[in-house]
Parts: sequence; C-alpha cells; structure tokens
Amino acid sequence: DAKTTQPPSMDCAEGRAANLPCNHSTISGNEYVYWYRQIHSQGPQYIIHGLKNNETNEMASLIITEDRKSSTLILPHATLRDTAVYYCIVRVLNSGGSNYKLTFGKGTLLTVNP
Amino acid sequence: DGGITQSPKYLFRKEGQNVTLSCEQNLNHDAMYWYRQDPGQGLRLIYYSQIVNDFQKGDIAEGYSVSREKKESFPLTVTSAQKNPTAFYLCASSILAREDQPQHFGDGTRLSIL
Repeated sequence: DAKTTQPPSMDCAEGRAANLPCNHSTISGNEYVYWYRQIHSQGPQYIIHGLKNNETNEMASLIITEDRKSSTLILPHATLRDTAVYYCIVRVLNSGGSNYKLTFGKGTLLTVNP
Repeated sequence: DGGITQSPKYLFRKEGQNVTLSCEQNLNHDAMYWYRQDPGQGLRLIYYSQIVNDFQKGDIAEGYSVSREKKESFPLTVTSAQKNPTAFYLCASSILAREDQPQHFGDGTRLSIL
C-alpha cells in the first residue's frame, strides 16, 4: 500500500471549516483513499473514501488532486466533538479483488477549540 | 440501529487463562475482522473472515483463535499462549472483504493482565 504523510497536529476554531491534508505521492491509479477518525478510547469511525473524483457525504468532503498525489478532508463546520485523530489511508486494488486489512499511520490530531 | 457491538468493554485476564471477546453485527455484512491496537500504535490484523464457516490468519494470529459459525458473530479467544495480550481489541465488518468497501468498527474491548 502507498504510504501517506499527514501533519501530526492541527487546530481549528469551532464553527470553522477544518481542512486536513494528506500526501500520498506514491499512490497508484487503482488505490482508494480512505479517511477514518478515532476519538480516544473508542473504535475508529469511517468518514469517507474515494478513488479519483471528489466525494461528499453527510460528514465531510474529500478533495483529491487531479494527479492523485494528495487529498484534503474537509469538515465544513467543525464542532468540539470533531476533536479526534484523523487517519488517511490508501488501499490497493489487488488483482485478486480482495484487500482485507487497514493499515493506519500516526494520523493528525485535530483539536477543535471553542 | 445497525452496528457492531463488542463486549465486554473492559476485561481482565489472569496468567494462564483463556478469555473470549464478543463481536456481534446486525449490518448483514459478510466480512468481519479482528484488530489489535497498542498505545501509540496503528492497527494490526489478527484474523479475518470473508464468509460464514471460513476465516484466515492475519499478521499476528499466534496466541489467538476465532470461529465464525454465524454471519453476525465473530468471537475472538485470547489464549494463554499469547504472552503479551494487554491491548485494545477492535472488531470490524464490511459488506465484502474488498478495498472499495469501508470497514466499520465497534467500540473495542480493552484487555489487561492481572
């Protein structure tokens, strides 16, 4: 799987948009970009994923650059409950059609301040 | 509400004792997974199951055992052969074991040694 690089920490004011960057410069054309977050002592929560196109759901938006070497997760209106460690992951599409594990890096600790 | 339920939330094991962690999902997912998370570390895959009555070892299966007799249940037994069992154990499920299918996690079981 392609490696990802994320800043270790970021701050955001409550009510503002939080933009979390991820660098995946070695990504291949068939690798998905996933975002998860983990609040202390809880299980990881799936946020969003994409392959080439930008994606939006009720939680966030995912912006993938045209060359796919980086992406940004956008939380449009951050709240205090969005304080968590955010993980950017790339997952390869194996020729056999199965990829069974997630590999988390160190992620970005997002702190939303009042 | 659909989801993944792990129990108990906290578990204590005596030396030489086997303990079983429960994982139940009502999402009608075929694939289920067990991960281990150590402090400040990422996830490591213990076992996974793509379908009922079938399961495969992950990266750190030694000292663990699983069963998948029902679609909705995937219990993990931590045996006395696991010499360093203290960790946060996470169960996940996905529609299929594929890279384009997000895994959804339970809230984890924290296992400690007495």
